[in-house]
Amino acid sequence: GQQLNQSPQSMFIQEGEDVSMNCTSSSIFNTWLWYKQEPGEGPVLLIALYKAGELTSNGRLTAQFGITRKDSFLNISASIPSDVGIYFCAGRGRNAGNNRKLIWGLGTSLAVNP
Amino acid sequence: NAGVTQTPKFQVLKTGQSMTLQCAQDMNHNSMYWYRQDPGMGLRLIYYSASEGTTDKGEVPNGYNVSRLNKREFSLRLESAAPSQTSVYFCASISQGGEQYFGPGTRLTVT
Repeated sequence: GQQLNQSPQSMFIQEGEDVSMNCTSSSIFNTWLWYKQEPGEGPVLLIALYKAGELTSNGRLTAQFGITRKDSFLNISASIPSDVGIYFCAGRGRNAGNNRKLIWGLGTSLAVNP
Repeated sequence: NAGVTQTPKFQVLKTGQSMTLQCAQDMNHNSMYWYRQDPGMGLRLIYYSASEGTTDKGEVPNGYNVSRLNKREFSLRLESAAPSQTSVYFCASISQGGEQYFGPGTRLTVT
């Protein structure tokens, strides 16, 4: 099935550093969602974006809906050890219909060195 | 308000055995999904239910069946488990806005 290109695949950073990750699609999306998954848990929704150019924050997390509608970015500022996990992007195109199916990235694995 | 609950949390089956994974949501959502998650493969949609009384195949439906018992509950059944079905299974409930809320997962091993 169709997948998003999510990068980087993994990151290992020092506590206090800022983090950036992104997702790109070959087709136009009208929704972008960012999730975090911790070991042994299900993905948890962090930020939802619905309009091109939209910039939304959730604490130290900021996500943007790319102006081309084919990409999205997630930034984490001043990382802390509890930011460790896998971050997934997901998007939905204009033709998703009432079933609301999402296209998923393969995730960015984040490790934070205290 | 528990959100999305799944049972069991862990399960080990022998090849050929059957089992049903249970999922329930208390958010009054119409849509519910079943995914499997495998290393390097991301989340793959098995089956979904856009509303009570309807179910449809997703990306990887072979070897599975589903039942949307009522608005709250959506179960996934493996009739004859195979080692290829070793995976982590997630149920998700979908809001009107399309946001997906996940359960804690069922970790299934088929030997």
